[in-house]
Amino acid sequence: IVLTQSPGTLSLSPGERATLTCRASQSVGNTYLAWYQHKPGQAPRLVIYSTFSRPTGVPDRFSGSGSGTDFTLTISSLEPEDFAVYYCQQYAKSPTFGQGTKVEIK
Amino acid sequence: EVQLVESGGGVVQPGGALRLSCTTSGFTFRVYEMNWVRQVPGKGLEWVASITSRGDTQSYADSVKGRFTISRDNAKNSLFLQINSLRVEDTAVYYCARGLGSPDFWGQGTLVTVSA
Repeated sequence: IVLTQSPGTLSLSPGERATLTCRASQSVGNTYLAWYQHKPGQAPRLVIYSTFSRPTGVPDRFSGSGSGTDFTLTISSLEPEDFAVYYCQQYAKSPTFGQGTKVEIK
Repeated sequence: EVQLVESGGGVVQPGGALRLSCTTSGFTFRVYEMNWVRQVPGKGLEWVASITSRGDTQSYADSVKGRFTISRDNAKNSLFLQINSLRVEDTAVYYCARGLGSPDFWGQGTLVTVSA
């Protein structure tokens, strides 16, 4: 399953809302989609699993939605520490990742 | 505190081999499925292999099948990746990651560079 993320880069200011999308080449249902935050030199961090669930410790400004082939990660109000690359991942079949969306400071 | 620490990366010639290790602490290793995921420099993440909690079932990406072997030692809380017949395109940071489906904890990775 190929995942296509858009946009490639999102230039925003702290306090703004970020909307990232992930489209799958075939349905992954509504529970097999995750989102990761990745900063250079650090371990990737799981921020959303099962499409809309947040792991313990992830702030509620992060939210996920979608089903089938179209999914969205929303960061309601960007904090300085949120600027990073975000990857979607499906695990309905052999795991695959999207190519990433870079959220950069405008 | 959950910790995963990878080691064993380095520079190797095409056709060579390496054994990567992931030493874990802070959780009950033997009950978790474990994974290896890699990132080619400047590119995205690619799932490489997974192994069940007891080590009795392994699965691999097509790009590494037949060349890579994932294994674990539950007594030593450790995960391994034997990588053989290395190719230039295997150059990447290799991460170990905990859990089935959407891994919830990852290490910081170890760099494997394949170059003549």
